[in-house]
Amino acid sequence: GEDVEQSLFLSVREGDSSVINCTYTDSSSTYLYWYKQEPGAGLQLLTYIFSNMDMKQDQRLTVLLNKKDKHLSLRIADTQTGDSAIYFCAVMNRDDKIIFGKGTRLHILP
Amino acid sequence: NAGVTQTPKFRVLKTGQSMTLLCAQDMNHEYMYWYRQDPGMGLRLIHYSVGEGTTAKGEVPDGYNVSRLKKQNFLLGLESAAPSQTSVYFCASSYAAGDYTFGSGTRLTVV
Repeated sequence: GEDVEQSLFLSVREGDSSVINCTYTDSSSTYLYWYKQEPGAGLQLLTYIFSNMDMKQDQRLTVLLNKKDKHLSLRIADTQTGDSAIYFCAVMNRDDKIIFGKGTRLHILP
Repeated sequence: NAGVTQTPKFRVLKTGQSMTLLCAQDMNHEYMYWYRQDPGMGLRLIHYSVGEGTTAKGEVPDGYNVSRLKKQNFLLGLESAAPSQTSVYFCASSYAAGDYTFGSGTRLTVV
């Protein structure tokens, strides 16, 4: 079945850019998502990208998609303490189900 | 506020007890889902529903049952709770097979 892999932990200094990476296995994935989970809360959709796009920018967020390598990344510019959270990569598989990665915990250093 | 509401937020059960978790959404979404979240395991799909009166098994359905008698509600039942079902449970809904709206979770401890 579909597999979505991401590193479990990332530590970044406040003000720097954060880059969270994700790889997936199903080349037919049509929609790819980034969700954010703050402590004690549910997941919130941060942004998504269609598989026919290479890049999507939304304020401080930039999503890059490399379909050939099945690699998705989320860049957060000027990282703030409020960006501290767990970020989940997710892809829609051929059965129209969303498969989630295990999440990357972003830790902000002062 | 529109969204997905889960009740209860916290619960402690003894092994063998039963309980039902309620998920309610007021966005007229067709699709609803139940996930469990465990450390190092990410989110795993338990059961889902693509419309009123329909349910289907997800990745980890054993020990759980669900019902979708009304479009806005999706119930998750544990008939005989086990310590392995200690987890945080999340409900989500979506209009189509698209972006999900999540509830804030139910933290369940089985002792």
